[in-house]
Amino acid sequence: DVKVTQSSRYLVKRTGEKVFLECVQDMDHENMFWYRQDPGLGLRLIYFSYDVKMKEKGDIPEGYSVSREKKERFSLILESASTNQTSMYLCASTKSRGRRVGYTFGSGTRLTVV
Amino acid sequence: DQQVKQNSPSLSVQEGRISILNCDYTNSMFDYFLWYKKYPAEGPTFLISISSIKDKNEDGRFTVFLNKSAKHLSLHIVPSQTGDSAVYFCAACARDYGQNFVFGPGTRLSVLP
Repeated sequence: DVKVTQSSRYLVKRTGEKVFLECVQDMDHENMFWYRQDPGLGLRLIYFSYDVKMKEKGDIPEGYSVSREKKERFSLILESASTNQTSMYLCASTKSRGRRVGYTFGSGTRLTVV
Repeated sequence: DQQVKQNSPSLSVQEGRISILNCDYTNSMFDYFLWYKKYPAEGPTFLISISSIKDKNEDGRFTVFLNKSAKHLSLHIVPSQTGDSAVYFCAACARDYGQNFVFGPGTRLSVLP
């Protein structure tokens, strides 16, 4: 089974802190994604990557950056955490561009910024 | 403006009855649709998909119907079980967008015993 692992289930950080959310997948997937889930808004795409060292902005990239130094790992960085970044963060991966397969999601990281 | 809409934030259904979850989309370029189910504290899991060349796809108790002219799809669960209680997300993608799916806001289904 494909596994997408997010390093933390729950995080509490202070306003202004730099926050790293880590995601690792174990099935050699090329594509990786970061979403945030908020009530009434569903899943919104923050950043995605189709290859190592490649990154593309999603719909809501402001206040975030990403790093993909290795194929299996995709990190989301909150440069200076703010309270409006309190949310559930979901990482996802999928095999290859153009194939119509769904994503495999991690279990999510619930981040609270105080 | 949301390209994928799920206008019912929540739905309650009696166990054994049919659950119907609706999804509307605005982008006529969307040609592939998926439904995901999400339990609390877990990531979404893939449930069922449908391509725009079809108008129906069935998998056990789950059937998805697509009405392209109305830009509408629905997920039917028959019979509903208490374990189906979860948030259901509709997602759509277009060939030109690569592998990027656009998600709706979700509908919370509660199946009552």
